[in-house]
Amino acid sequence: DAGVIQSPRHEVTEMGQEVTLRCKPISGHNSLFWYRQTMMRGLELLIYFNNNVPIDDSGMPEDRFSAKMPNASFSTLKIQPSEPRDSAVYFCASSLVLVAGGYSNQPQHFGDGTRLSIL
Amino acid sequence: GQNIDQPTEMTATEGAIVQINCTYQTSGFNGLFWYQQHAGEAPTFLSYNVLDGLEEKGRFSSFLSRSKGYSYLLLKELQMKDSASYLCAVRGDNYGQNFVFGPGTRLSVLP
Repeated sequence: DAGVIQSPRHEVTEMGQEVTLRCKPISGHNSLFWYRQTMMRGLELLIYFNNNVPIDDSGMPEDRFSAKMPNASFSTLKIQPSEPRDSAVYFCASSLVLVAGGYSNQPQHFGDGTRLSIL
Repeated sequence: GQNIDQPTEMTATEGAIVQINCTYQTSGFNGLFWYQQHAGEAPTFLSYNVLDGLEEKGRFSSFLSRSKGYSYLLLKELQMKDSASYLCAVRGDNYGQNFVFGPGTRLSVLP
């Protein structure tokens, strides 16, 4: 079975440029998460979607960041304009939430990440 | 607020047993997950606890005490390939969808 697919794997660009990261979740999963990981701050949740609807974007650093999920099989995270401090590994993860408000042992499955370097 | 603590680094010897602790204070609780992350790779799911007690999965076991806000991951018969970071994550409220990850514990297994 295909896991979470992210592209590109690596991105190097100059500050001020627009960056678009892409994610295809596992088929059948109804929740999608975007994370950022750095040595200093660890793994931080940026935004998550449930049934393609953004539920919590409180982790998005500022207006330069935006995320969309136009359908159940695709999501993008965009940074415009990019800055050197945005350099990090960006992970996309998906999961299946079985029962709203109840316990669910379904973990999040992570993609391989995009290593972003802003020069 | 959300706060999860783990030791930053640990070192152990091949064949030994190591316990990695995690303490948490979160506004809600719908389960605790442990993930393994090798350098340069994605986190991968190891275990899940929602009720108090021990869950065993081969060489790995995970324990939870909800009243103490405490969990540990126990790794037995350590192998060199177990050298990785181990992340504790708590699923909070909001219908239990979002996770809060701890800072991770970097484990080095020495020969």
